[in-house]
Amino acid sequence: GAVVSQHPSWVICKSGTSVKIECRSLDFQATTMFWYRQFPKQSLMLMATSNEGSKATYEQGVEKDKFLINHASLTLSTLTVTSAHPEDSSFYICSARGWGHMNTEAFFGQGTRLTVV
Amino acid sequence: EDKVVQSPLSLVVHEGDTVTLNCSYEVTNFRSLLWYKQEKKAPTFLFMLTSSGIEKKSGRLSSILDKKELFSILNITATQTGDSAVYLCAVPHTGTASKLTFGTGTRLQVTL
Repeated sequence: GAVVSQHPSWVICKSGTSVKIECRSLDFQATTMFWYRQFPKQSLMLMATSNEGSKATYEQGVEKDKFLINHASLTLSTLTVTSAHPEDSSFYICSARGWGHMNTEAFFGQGTRLTVV
Repeated sequence: EDKVVQSPLSLVVHEGDTVTLNCSYEVTNFRSLLWYKQEKKAPTFLFMLTSSGIEKKSGRLSSILDKKELFSILNITATQTGDSAVYLCAVPHTGTASKLTFGTGTRLQVTL
């Protein structure tokens, strides 16, 4: 149980275009989803927390107009990187938690490697 | 501000060696400490520790927590090349239990 699927696993896009990444909880209802970014040889940095049906809470320094997060249903959250630039190239990972999960548990998706050229 | 520091940053060992990875933390309201293994993709969960002195074990991996000294160790015995990965330590955020603060990780490479 507690499977989180992230799609796509990798994407290459041109500078200036937008990219959407999906995160789905397959066998539970994800009341809270988290989006992380990881640069090469660095740790995971939390970008934002989203609760189903409400606006995401962004961490300090993360531009909410650039990284649009939508958590419209209990099984799907999306992260859209708008007007992507090469410096946005990174590994993006989502994690999710649902009712009945301990508040310290986090189930991760497979991650999406974004390359902006 | 919550803080998690891991050491060493990287480590190269021969297959069969035993390694010990360290994680120290500073949190206002400690709930638990989690260990993850990250290969090329997203982290996979290893252990969650909440009580001092109680060893958690899974095969060749084991971990223990010291809440007095604010650290945890992850041991891997009889290492194999498949253990090569980044090992991450994380603690739930003081304010919001669901958020995790990660350490920088220890990059372990096991050679033949």
